Amino acid sequence: DAGITQSPRHKVTETGTPVTLRCHQTENHRYMYWYRQDPGHGLRLIHYSYGVKDTDKGEVSDGYSVSRSKTEDFLLTLESATSSQTSVYFCAIRVSGGNEQFFGPGTRLTVL
Amino acid sequence: DQQVKQNSPSLSVQEGRISILNCDYTNSMFDYFLWYKKYPAEGPTFLISISSIKDKNEDGRFTVFLNKSAKHLSLHIVPSQPGDSAVYFCAARGGVYGGSQGNLIFGKGTKLSVKP
Repeated sequence: DAGITQSPRHKVTETGTPVTLRCHQTENHRYMYWYRQDPGHGLRLIHYSYGVKDTDKGEVSDGYSVSRSKTEDFLLTLESATSSQTSVYFCAIRVSGGNEQFFGPGTRLTVL
Repeated sequence: DQQVKQNSPSLSVQEGRISILNCDYTNSMFDYFLWYKKYPAEGPTFLISISSIKDKNEDGRFTVFLNKSAKHLSLHIVPSQPGDSAVYFCAARGGVYGGSQGNLIFGKGTKLSVKP
């Protein structure tokens, strides 16, 4: 257990509304990641962070923004949700110097 | 362009037999490979990994083999158990999006069903 929590765990929202997902870790790991998982696509990287206020884009970053104002929290924001953003979102951490990433339990987001 | 490929969406195996899950990659710069297991409604769980300087790594019932010349790796589970039924993801470290930061690229996954 890498001490990762995600909130909310489930959310239903309407097209055009803003949505923020939170990832919280308790062990002060430097690296944090946001992925989305969709049928037929596996896990795709949205954004990642390598420190407080240090973030960068991943493979599928369009329509998403992130913020990391403190080590323990990594926020993913959908400024104006679309139906194509209906997905399961996973947060992950990586220990500095390590190779493995450890995942949170996920957030299931439905955009109607 | 898919850099990590798992060409079998599903695999069915009898309990007690061997399960072999395959993964191919295209980028010769990948230097580390991992396998994750995922149960429904849970996050992926790290299973086993291998460095590109090795050709085999074993952990209990799980063994990963790497063939660099063929850009191919496989996960062997012996003996398979019903609790192994899950989706298995292959991942490689490197690539365009933060590869130097240790970021991973995942395959699409293979759903393993182990029948009693």
